[in-house]
Amino acid sequence: DIQMTQSPSSLSASVGDRVTITCRASQAIFNYLAWYQHKPGKAPKSLIYAASNLQGGVPSRFNGSGFATDFALTISSLQPEDFATYYCQQYNLYPRTFGQGTKVEIK
Amino acid sequence: EVHLVESGGGLVKPGGSLTLSCAASGFTFTGYGMNWVRQAPGKGLEWVSSISVSSNYIYYADSVKGRFTVSRDNVKNLLYLQMNSLRDEDTAVYYCVRYMGLDVSVASFDYWGQGTLVTVSS
Repeated sequence: DIQMTQSPSSLSASVGDRVTITCRASQAIFNYLAWYQHKPGKAPKSLIYAASNLQGGVPSRFNGSGFATDFALTISSLQPEDFATYYCQQYNLYPRTFGQGTKVEIK
Repeated sequence: EVHLVESGGGLVKPGGSLTLSCAASGFTFTGYGMNWVRQAPGKGLEWVSSISVSSNYIYYADSVKGRFTVSRDNVKNLLYLQMNSLRDEDTAVYYCVRYMGLDVSVASFDYWGQGTLVTVSS
């Protein structure tokens, strides 16, 4: 199975900060990498697919990058509604696997 | 607007069975592969199963293989997850999730349902 490792596991940031979350795959996955946002009690929301493509309706402050094994999600200017847990996920192979999540909290 | 509404969750004893349903609306169901993803209390997201439009490609996580069965009814626009031999560790919120298209070999998720809670406890 492909292991997905996110860093950090949690972070504290202020509104307006630039935030970067990294995701490393245990083997190359081309650009078959997605990012999801999850708030407690809500349905997860798809943010990015194919490593860098924004899903419809996702604000442009979200940016995805990377290829092969190393990926990143950057929020250019953190907004109050962005405080949530973020997951990366590979879809190159089955079983689909997620990172352990990165919780973004208010400083 | 895409809607995915799960139902069928509840409390079940270890070793018991439960069938989850997901009602899909707002899109052409026969144009999309579908999935189940779960989240145990305090844990992260875990992929459970995927099914292609014609049900000729079906995949399971090792943790549920042989116990869970995914199926779909393309006339009624319904996705199912039959869960047998349930264990404590199957306790989770189960989400119905749409693939971005027909292809289930390399496809990202796009729309998620609100989830249904399954609790396995004696």
